[in-house]
Amino acid sequence: AQTVTQSQPEMSVQEAETVTLSCTYDTSENNYYLFWYKQPPSRQMILVIRQEAYKQQNATENRFSVNFQKAAKSFSLKISDSQLGDTAMYFCAFMNPTGANSKLTFGKGITLSVRP
Amino acid sequence: EAGVVQSPRYKIIEKKQPVAFWCNPISGHNTLYWYLQNLGQGPELLIRYENEEAVDDSQLPKDRFSAERLKGVDSTLKIQPAELGDSAVYLCASSFRGSRNEQYFGPGTRLTVT
Repeated sequence: AQTVTQSQPEMSVQEAETVTLSCTYDTSENNYYLFWYKQPPSRQMILVIRQEAYKQQNATENRFSVNFQKAAKSFSLKISDSQLGDTAMYFCAFMNPTGANSKLTFGKGITLSVRP
Repeated sequence: EAGVVQSPRYKIIEKKQPVAFWCNPISGHNTLYWYLQNLGQGPELLIRYENEEAVDDSQLPKDRFSAERLKGVDSTLKIQPAELGDSAVYLCASSFRGSRNEQYFGPGTRLTVT
């Protein structure tokens, strides 16, 4: 079974600064996907960024980028130029896309607060 | 394009009462998921549908929970009877095969059992 660990329950960052959220996972699979989801206080879960394990290049989406270390099973999210609207819970998630296992396994999440 | 719709958004019931949640996925999405999210935790899958077939219900407590997706479009999740420990947010998500495995979530239903 796959597990996803987010060991930091809370983080805080000053507006316009950069913050990195950590995530590690455990799997014996070679082909999988990793995601970061954002859940603002309104509770609508939104996909932030996605990484395919077979791709060596780290994914980027505007101010969001990941540091994917496959051997270390680490998948951190970097948010540059933090904005007040980035305040939310962030969840790291794992998916094995084959057959009946194509479900998301989430970490416990981290609460990020952006200070003005 | 409309997103995943869920209703009701909030529900308060007494223990031992039944409750039902409804989800309408994004048009054309063949896969539908129900997740349970306890306070301060990540969502956990309850059941996954491919069209009208439940292909993964291993985490669904079948003694009190049931779900259906009769026409392969919208879905209903039911709890009968509800227990105090069922208080949580119930999230629905959908995806389209070939959409790079990206799931789109609804706003959730917050259930409080008193």
